[in-house]
Amino acid sequence: LAKTTQPISMDSYEGQEVNITCSHNNIATNDYITWYQQFPSQGPRFIIQGYKTKVTNEVASLFIPADRKSSTLSLPRVSLSDTAVYYCLVGRPDTGRRALTFGSGTRLQVQP
Amino acid sequence: DVKVTQSSRYLVKRTGEKVFLECVQDMDHENMFWYRQDPGLGLRLIYFSYDVKMKEKGDIPEGYSVSREKKERFSLILESASTNQTSMYLCASSSSPTTSGSLYNEQFFGPGTRLTVL
Repeated sequence: LAKTTQPISMDSYEGQEVNITCSHNNIATNDYITWYQQFPSQGPRFIIQGYKTKVTNEVASLFIPADRKSSTLSLPRVSLSDTAVYYCLVGRPDTGRRALTFGSGTRLQVQP
Repeated sequence: DVKVTQSSRYLVKRTGEKVFLECVQDMDHENMFWYRQDPGLGLRLIYFSYDVKMKEKGDIPEGYSVSREKKERFSLILESASTNQTSMYLCASSSSPTTSGSLYNEQFFGPGTRLTVL
């Protein structure tokens, strides 16, 4: 199983760039890497997904090295509203349960 | 926008009661999921379904069952509620990438039901 490992928590200040790294040493050839964000009392929300190299959208960037054994979610210039839990997932739905493990996530606290 | 709704935001039940949690999605998604979330444990998958009348066990199915009679509705059933089932329950749905061209694993979540079993 492609287990993921993330830091339990991170602290940052407004305006800084935050990088959250996820380790997934057993990632399979067909696996994708997906990140979700969850605010208190809400369900998780999809942020970004990638397979290799770099993906960027209006919210974040995702960096994936050539060996794909890790990935880094980059949040540019965070604000207080980015305080949330961030989850890294690895897999594909059509491979069954393997694709659906959220883990404990990384709790990001942004200070003023 | 995709909308996933859950029948209740808060629910209080007594030990031994049969509990139904309902989830409805309005985007014709093939896949639906039930998770529970507890402090420090993240989200854990209970059951999921890839089609009507089809169900698959997740990581923690014990004490739960599910029903999917219609594509838009996925119900989670606690046959005999126990105090250790006190939790936040989250429903999600997603489309199948092969049919829609959407991203893998892009799940849309409902607001959650906080269930307390006394």
